[in-house]
Amino acid sequence: ETGVTQSPTHLIKTRGQQVTLRCSSQSGHNTVSWYQQALGQGPQFIFQYYREEENGRGNFPPRFSGLQFPNYSSELNVNALELDDSALYLCASSLTGDTGELFFGEGSRLTVL
Amino acid sequence: RKEVEQDPGPFNVPEGATVAFNCTYSNSASQSFFWYRQDCRKEPKLLMSVYSSGNEDGRFTAQLNRASQYISLLIRDSKLSDSATYLCVVIPSGGSNYKLTFGKGTLLTVNP
Repeated sequence: ETGVTQSPTHLIKTRGQQVTLRCSSQSGHNTVSWYQQALGQGPQFIFQYYREEENGRGNFPPRFSGLQFPNYSSELNVNALELDDSALYLCASSLTGDTGELFFGEGSRLTVL
Repeated sequence: RKEVEQDPGPFNVPEGATVAFNCTYSNSASQSFFWYRQDCRKEPKLLMSVYSSGNEDGRFTAQLNRASQYISLLIRDSKLSDSATYLCVVIPSGGSNYKLTFGKGTLLTVNP
């Protein structure tokens, strides 16, 4: 196990609703990244948080937002859900200075109806 | 052109076979390269880094050709437990070390 935990594991929402996904990073890891993985696709980078600030963002609209807390845990918030937001949302933690090795949680599978 | 493109697959091979996956990337200034493995309905995990000189880890060999912008993964003596999706991953130039760009993945099934 990676030590990265995510909740909830599965959830169903309807179009237009809002969702919050949570992530606890591996002990000692101060950087958290979020990825979206649609069915049959590779993970797509949403954003990264370091020291409670967004430290890089992929090609996602502003309705995707996040937070990182002093204990390095993190939240991903998505407003005004659309059908295409249905995906597996993966949280990954890493230690500053490490390159390339992300430790992923098992993900939160979101279905938007 | 997509940033990272992989063999579409799927690959179905018998146990003991040798199988190779290919991947190309569009940004010639990309700096780091990896192969991740993702089991069905599980999270991705780092399989190995890819170095310019090529590197080997047991039955797995990774190669990088910067001139052709091409990465490969060779699996020898395939095991049933090798069945998974293999994701080619690139860190673009100028990006943070944590902004990984993933390919779509190639599904491998090893049959008894």
